[in-house]
Amino acid sequence: IAGITQAPTSQILAAGRRMTLRCTQDMRHNAMYWYRQDLGLGLRLIHYSNTAGTTGKGEVPDGYSVSRANTDDFPLTLASAVPSQTSVYFCASSESGGTGYNEQFFGPGTRLTVL
Amino acid sequence: GQNIDQPTEMTATEGAIVQINCTYQTSGFNGLFWYQQHAGEAPTFLSYNVLDGLEEKGRFSSFLSRSKGYSYLLLKELQMKDSASYLCAVRNSNYQLIWGAGTKLIIKP
Repeated sequence: IAGITQAPTSQILAAGRRMTLRCTQDMRHNAMYWYRQDLGLGLRLIHYSNTAGTTGKGEVPDGYSVSRANTDDFPLTLASAVPSQTSVYFCASSESGGTGYNEQFFGPGTRLTVL
Repeated sequence: GQNIDQPTEMTATEGAIVQINCTYQTSGFNGLFWYQQHAGEAPTFLSYNVLDGLEEKGRFSSFLSRSKGYSYLLLKELQMKDSASYLCAVRNSNYQLIWGAGTKLIIKP
C-alpha cells in the first residue's frame, strides 16, 4: 500500500450500534487526524494524535473515541451511533503535528449512514 | 469564535483566470493551506503560505495578507479538470487546521 487506506468504503449502520472505522498509513508519519465532512460545512476535526501513544480532542469529539497503539494505525470508534453521525469521514496524516510545512495527506474516506 | 469564509460557488470559462478569496478569523495563525477536492474524492494539497506575499506553482498561485486576514487562490489557463471544490484552511495557535466550507468551481467550455 502507498499512502493512507480507510475501511470500510461505505457503511449503513443501525442507530445504537457500535462501529469502528479503520485507518492505516505507511508513510511513517507521526501525526494522524480524523475529520468529518458534511454538506455546507468545512472539514471538522474529531480527534488527533501527534505521536503514537497520545491522542487529543478536536472540535467535535463527542460520541467518538480513538486509540493510537502504533505509528501506522488510528481507528475511530462510534460507541453507540446516532443519525447525526451520518457523514463522510476522512483520516489524514502529516509528518508532525507542529509548525512548518506539514501538509496533511488524506485517505479516500468512509461514507457512513446511520439510520 | 474561529471562522473561515469563502464563496460557495463560482463559475469560469475554460482558458480564463479565476480568483477564489478566503478571509479568516482564528485564534492565532501558523500558516494557511489551499486544498483541491474533486467530487467524491479526498482533498489534495495545493499550496501553503505562512509569510505575506505570493507563492506561485505552475498554473496555481496563492496570496496571503496576515494583517488583513485574507488569502486568495489564483488559477490560470483554466482546464475542465479544474472543476472541483477548493478548500481554504488555517492552522491556528493549537496547530489545528480550521477549514472553510469550500468553493465549488464550475468550468464551462
